[in-house]
Amino acid sequence: KNEVEQSPQNLTAQEGEFITINCSYSVGISALHWLQQHPGGGIVSLFMLSSGKKKHGRLIATINIQEKHSSLHITASHPRDSAVYICAVRSRGNEKLTFGTGTRLTIIP
Amino acid sequence: DTAVSQTPKYLVTQMGNDKSIKCEQNLGHDTMYWYKQDSKKFLKIMFSYNNKELIINETVPNRFSPKSPDKAHLNLHINSLELGDSAVYFCASSQLAKETQYFGPGTRLLVL
Repeated sequence: KNEVEQSPQNLTAQEGEFITINCSYSVGISALHWLQQHPGGGIVSLFMLSSGKKKHGRLIATINIQEKHSSLHITASHPRDSAVYICAVRSRGNEKLTFGTGTRLTIIP
Repeated sequence: DTAVSQTPKYLVTQMGNDKSIKCEQNLGHDTMYWYKQDSKKFLKIMFSYNNKELIINETVPNRFSPKSPDKAHLNLHINSLELGDSAVYFCASSQLAKETQYFGPGTRLLVL
């Protein structure tokens, strides 16, 4: 079992829909990252959070440390949001990033 | 003025060869990383350097040797390449180990 589990693995939605991607982890962490990998392969860091909630444009990330769970939400989804979204946790102590297997999101116009 | 750059972008080579991938960051960051992304798109850390000093060394064959000539560069040298080394290798950097990481564009390595 991976230390970081994401669901769903694949998600297809219509443009405009509200999207939720989930991440659960089993280790003690100092922070959690959400990354976006574009179809061309480039990786961009979206959020780094250790508590509560962060918002950037149409993207919202939340984390519940007690439940070891985080969610990434996309409001008013758009075809350009189509990408793989990757959750990664930073282990407490060695600060090493461990990645989930990613969620492939496809937004249909 | 790319923040984190890698060369080459693509590398096709024969089994048994030795090859290097270069990474440079112009962000003034102290920490640099190498990650491997396999065919299933799973990312895994290989190495981390802080100010030219190795701080994370995962269970990676010793055919892989990182070299950091200065804190802006972290190169990856691979000896005796094997088929299983085929992957995309990403370099990244951050100001401190605890901060947001910025990724390079990746180097797609194919070993034939």
